[in-house]
Amino acid sequence: GAVVSQHPSWVICKSGTSVKIECRSLDFQATTMFWYRQFPKQSLMLMATSNEGSKATYEQGVEKDKFLINHASLTLSTLTVTSAHPEDSSFYICSASRAGGQPDTQYFGPGTRLTVL
Amino acid sequence: DAKTTQPPSMDCAEGRAANLPCNHSTISGNEYVYWYRQIHSQGPQYIIHGLKNNETNEMASLIITEDRKSSTLILPHATLRDTAVYYCIVRFNAGGTSYGKLTFGQGTILTVHP
Repeated sequence: GAVVSQHPSWVICKSGTSVKIECRSLDFQATTMFWYRQFPKQSLMLMATSNEGSKATYEQGVEKDKFLINHASLTLSTLTVTSAHPEDSSFYICSASRAGGQPDTQYFGPGTRLTVL
Repeated sequence: DAKTTQPPSMDCAEGRAANLPCNHSTISGNEYVYWYRQIHSQGPQYIIHGLKNNETNEMASLIITEDRKSSTLILPHATLRDTAVYYCIVRFNAGGTSYGKLTFGQGTILTVHP
């Protein structure tokens, strides 16, 4: 149990376009989902926390107008990178904590590798 | 959250136990110790967590010293697939703006060799 999927697993896009990444909890309900970013040879950095039905909370330095997060249901959160640029190329990973469970026990998706040309 | 210190890298022979240490000397009484791992190019995977008592699950054992200033994650019979970066995270969920926020350090790169 506790499986989280992400789609797509990789995407290549042109500079200036927008890219949407989906994160789904397949076998549990997730009131809270988290979005991380990881650059090569670096550790994960939390970008934002999203709660079902409410606005996401962004970490300092993360542009909320550039990284749009929607958490419309208890099993789906989406991250849209708007007007992507080469510096946005990274590994984007989502995680989810079970409704009613410990928030720090998080189940991660396999990640989405974004390359912006 | 308390700061953790882990060795940057460790080696282990396949089939042997891998013991990964973590120092968290500033841990407070209500902070949990969490372990996650990240296999190359994949999302992290939750392994185990504990507060005071030693814990065991199907993946690993967590040994926490009596003074709680350090802990050891034990993979009893390491396999090549256990090669990954292992992260020790100390957390107290105070709710509010810190809800669920995991801070990943550099972790320990564990290499399991044949």
